[in-house]
Amino acid sequence: NAGVTQTPKFQVLKTGQSMTLQCAQDMNHEYMSWYRQDPGMGLRLIHYSVGAGITDQGEVPNGYNVSRSTTEDFPLRLLSAAPSQTSVYFCASSYQPPGTSLEQFFGPGTRLTVL
Amino acid sequence: AQTVTQSQPEMSVQEAETVTLSCTYDTSESDYYLFWYKQPPSRQMILVIRQEAYKQQNATENRFSVNFQKAAKSFSLKISDSQLGDAAMYFCAYREAGNMLTFGGGTRLMVKP
Repeated sequence: NAGVTQTPKFQVLKTGQSMTLQCAQDMNHEYMSWYRQDPGMGLRLIHYSVGAGITDQGEVPNGYNVSRSTTEDFPLRLLSAAPSQTSVYFCASSYQPPGTSLEQFFGPGTRLTVL
Repeated sequence: AQTVTQSQPEMSVQEAETVTLSCTYDTSESDYYLFWYKQPPSRQMILVIRQEAYKQQNATENRFSVNFQKAAKSFSLKISDSQLGDAAMYFCAYREAGNMLTFGGGTRLMVKP
């Protein structure tokens, strides 16, 4: 198993550009989520999905879109990049049978810089 | 909304000594889960230890143990016999059943040889 993979690892954008951060998992996990990590603020949830075709907003969803057409993939789209979106982005997935501790598996992260 | 607070932005420990990282959280739920994640310079998030709120016994994983005080909403991490490889950012996280993780702001642990 490759686990959770993210591409690209690094990206530089100009203000106003759009792009998609890719996330894939091969563990057949229902739950997938996107976080951003900023200094001193831990990881904050952007969007999440509880299964194919179902997505919902997290704590900081503005400026981002997601879709979940397959169980494996959960891309994050930046519609019009802004310098405030400079951050490290993590994708995570988990399998949630009832009564478990719901461990999340994280991808390696994408460092995004918006100029 | 739940909040998770790590009041120590940085901690330092001598190699082979013991260090405790603090975490408090705010919730009105009785059923939830708590985690400590380690993030080394590679940025990879690594689960260190987990605790189910319904369990009274504190979780342990080799040199890592927690002090879970449910009434006080406190979840500290103790690292015994600290090693140079323990140097990293440590994040405390909270999760209710069915909900996503809420993270604290992190504690940077430095280990002195």
